[in-house]
Amino acid sequence: RKEVEQDPGPFNVPEGATVAFNCTYSNSASQSFFWYRQDCRKEPKLLMSVYSSGNEDGRFTAQLNRASQYISLLIRDSKLSDSATYLCVVTQHSSASKIIFGSGTRLSIRP
Amino acid sequence: DTGVSQDPRHKITKRGQNVTFRCDPISEHNRLYWYRQTLGQGPEFLTYFQNEAQLEKSRLLSDRFSAERPKGSFSTLEIQRTEQGDSAMYLCASSLAGTSGNQETQYFGPGTRLLVL
Repeated sequence: RKEVEQDPGPFNVPEGATVAFNCTYSNSASQSFFWYRQDCRKEPKLLMSVYSSGNEDGRFTAQLNRASQYISLLIRDSKLSDSATYLCVVTQHSSASKIIFGSGTRLSIRP
Repeated sequence: DTGVSQDPRHKITKRGQNVTFRCDPISEHNRLYWYRQTLGQGPEFLTYFQNEAQLEKSRLLSDRFSAERPKGSFSTLEIQRTEQGDSAMYLCASSLAGTSGNQETQYFGPGTRLLVL
């Protein structure tokens, strides 16, 4: 079983729709959580950190469920420019080798 | 542009050749990471420096791979006797270690895409 698992998609949704992704992690010692966005043939870029209380940044909402060991990302009113691969990242502060990226979820927004 | 830069952006080499990649982190960042990414996968951690000290290496990093950060600024990643399985995107990231104990934000460079024929 992978340490961090994501549904690879692709999710193909119309512009304006709401879409949600989950990411599950296996190590209960995980401490910090992030969502990164990666465009085709580009480097990953931080989208948002994920806090225990949940957090929102514009149209994006991230949630953490430590009991069930998953994080989620909700995108409201999706735009064509949201088309990308979304990577979840799970880390343990004790070790850089414990920075684990998921394989990513591909999102495609259609007009 | 004061972001992370990597050179070269693309490298095609024949099996058995040695290659070297360079990463220039954001200037005030003390941490530097190397990752490898293959198609359809997320980046996989290879190694990490805090200033000039190489603090961790992944089990993925065979003895054909070596990385340096001699002055705590730029870093090089060398692959000796390349194999076709080394074909991947090699990403560098840098960050500024904080005092809060939280995982700091990593900023990635554009990557070096390696193709071994």
